[in-house]
Amino acid sequence: DIQMTQSPASLSASLGETVTIECRASEDIYNGLAWYQQKPGKSPQLLIYNANSLHTGVPSRFSGSGSGTQYSLKINSLQSEDVASYFCQQYYDYPPTFGAGTKLELK
Amino acid sequence: QVQLQQSGAELAKPGSSVKISCKASGYTFTSYYISWIKQTTGQGLEYIGYINTGSGGTNYNEKFKGKATLTVDKSSSTAFMQLSSLTPDDSAVYYCAREGYGGPFDYWGQGVMVTVSS
Repeated sequence: DIQMTQSPASLSASLGETVTIECRASEDIYNGLAWYQQKPGKSPQLLIYNANSLHTGVPSRFSGSGSGTQYSLKINSLQSEDVASYFCQQYYDYPPTFGAGTKLELK
Repeated sequence: QVQLQQSGAELAKPGSSVKISCKASGYTFTSYYISWIKQTTGQGLEYIGYINTGSGGTNYNEKFKGKATLTVDKSSSTAFMQLSSLTPDDSAVYYCAREGYGGPFDYWGQGVMVTVSS
């Protein structure tokens, strides 16, 4: 199975700040990468797919980039509603696998 | 709008089985797979497998073969997952999610908490 290594495990940032979360795959996943947001007690919600495509209804302050084995999620101008955990997931190879998550808190 | 409505929380005894449902609405049910994902604090998110809602064909993550059985009722747009021979390690939140043929999971159910305890 492809291993997804996500960093950092936790992150504290101020309102209006830009934050970046990284995800590294154990082999090339050819942009088969998604990012999800999960708020406490809720199910994960798709933010980004194909490494850099914004899912319907997701604010434009979220963006994804990367290629090969290295990918990142950037949140511009952090809002209070962005406090959540974020997960990366590869779907290039079966079975799909997830990163361990990044917990984002407000400073 | 796309919705996946899952059944309620389950409390089960070790060695027993539970069957969770996932009712889809707001789209053509047979145009997408339904996948199932397990979430625990310790292990994070783990992919269980998917069911082809049109054909009923299934594909399981090797880790969950023999543990999970996926079925579908097209007439009610509902997918099911049965978990058998339950142990405390099966205690988790289980999600169903819509999958577009090897793509990302674009819509998720609200999750079902399964607790296995004597």
